[in-house]
Amino acid sequence: NAGVTQTPKFRILKIGQSMTLQCTQDMNHNYMYWYRQDPGMGLKLIYYSVGAGITDKGEVPNGYNVSRSTTEDFPLRLELAAPSQTSVYFCASSYTRRQGKNTDTQYFGPGTRLTVL
Amino acid sequence: AQKVTQAQTEISVVEKEDVTLDCVYETRDTTYYLFWYKQPPSGELVFLIRRNSFDEQNEISGRYSWNFQKSTSSFNFTITASQVVDSAVYFCALSEVDNTDKLIFGTGTRLQVFP
Repeated sequence: NAGVTQTPKFRILKIGQSMTLQCTQDMNHNYMYWYRQDPGMGLKLIYYSVGAGITDKGEVPNGYNVSRSTTEDFPLRLELAAPSQTSVYFCASSYTRRQGKNTDTQYFGPGTRLTVL
Repeated sequence: AQKVTQAQTEISVVEKEDVTLDCVYETRDTTYYLFWYKQPPSGELVFLIRRNSFDEQNEISGRYSWNFQKSTSSFNFTITASQVVDSAVYFCALSEVDNTDKLIFGTGTRLQVFP
């Protein structure tokens, strides 16, 4: 298993450009997440998905969009990039059982370092 | 509201010293999970441990140990006989059991272990 993979590893954007950060997991996990990590800070949740076709906003969703058409893929779209979106982006996934109260471990991809100039 | 506080921004130790990283959390839920992740200089996030709120037993894994105390809302992490390879940023995180299982992260503690 490759686990959680993210592409690209690095990207430089100009203000106003758009791009899609790709995230794929091969563990058949139902839950997927996008976080951003700003310098010296912890991670903050941008969007999450509890299954294909279902997405919802996290703590810092402005300026981003997501879709979840398959179990494996959870792309993050940046429209009209701004310098405030310069950050490291992490995708994560977990398999969460809903029968009981249980939180499974989230496994993270290697991250995408994005710079907006 | 949920919150995780890691008051130690940076800790420096010399190899073979023991070091404890503090984590204090806030939650109104009675059922929740606590995590520690390691972020080495290469940048990836490595899962270390998950603990649920009903299990207050301390855990030891090699040189790593965790002390969970609900009375003080703390989940501290100790590295015994630290090594240079332990140099990393360590994050504590909280997850309340709802329909999202999202993680609330602390701001991290940077540990530098010098030879």
